[in-house]
Amino acid sequence: GENVEQHPSTLSVQEGDSAVIKCTYSDSASNYFPWYKQELGKGPQLIIDIRSNVGEKKDQRIAVTLNKTAKHFSLHITETQPEDSAVYFCAASKGGSYIPTFGRGTSLIVHP
Amino acid sequence: DAGVTQSPTHLIKTRGQQVTLRCSPKSGHDTVSWYQQALGQGPQFIFQYYEEEERQRGNFPDRFSGHQFPNYSSELNVNALLLGDSALYLCASSPVQGSNEKLFFGSGTQLSVL
Repeated sequence: GENVEQHPSTLSVQEGDSAVIKCTYSDSASNYFPWYKQELGKGPQLIIDIRSNVGEKKDQRIAVTLNKTAKHFSLHITETQPEDSAVYFCAASKGGSYIPTFGRGTSLIVHP
Repeated sequence: DAGVTQSPTHLIKTRGQQVTLRCSPKSGHDTVSWYQQALGQGPQFIFQYYEEEERQRGNFPDRFSGHQFPNYSSELNVNALLLGDSALYLCASSPVQGSNEKLFFGSGTQLSVL
């Protein structure tokens, strides 16, 4: 089955800095890559996603890039704010079932 | 528009007991999936329900079972609880089975097994 590795496990930045979280996947058939943000006491919330036919996608301060050849995808957050502090999960899934396999999460801490 | 709602929010059980968790999907959604999230881990897929039937199942033992009702709400049942079943149990809904990958999660039920 699919295996998703996520790094780093913890990321601490100063407000206004950029943050990058990286993931790798093992199944070359995976074609959908969502990113979720989980705040304390809440369930994961989808913040951005990308499909395998697209190399990059941007939504305001967040962007995701995908390298299908290397089976890497990354989340980029620019101009970080304290409210960006949360645990971020990457995931990978493939058409038909769309049951995502999640990474282990990255705890992002943005210091004011 | 109410999102995905789960009850109860917290639950404490002892080993060997049985537990039932409940989920109401987001309005307009007919597919419900359940996930187990251990501390410091990503969510692990348990199973998915559509049209009141279990459609897909992850690598979980038969002690984990579920049900979906005609109004699309769902229950997760766990029998013979083990200490290792302590986790956050998340319910997620999506609009159409097999064709929409965007999941909407509830806030979860925190289960503690003593």
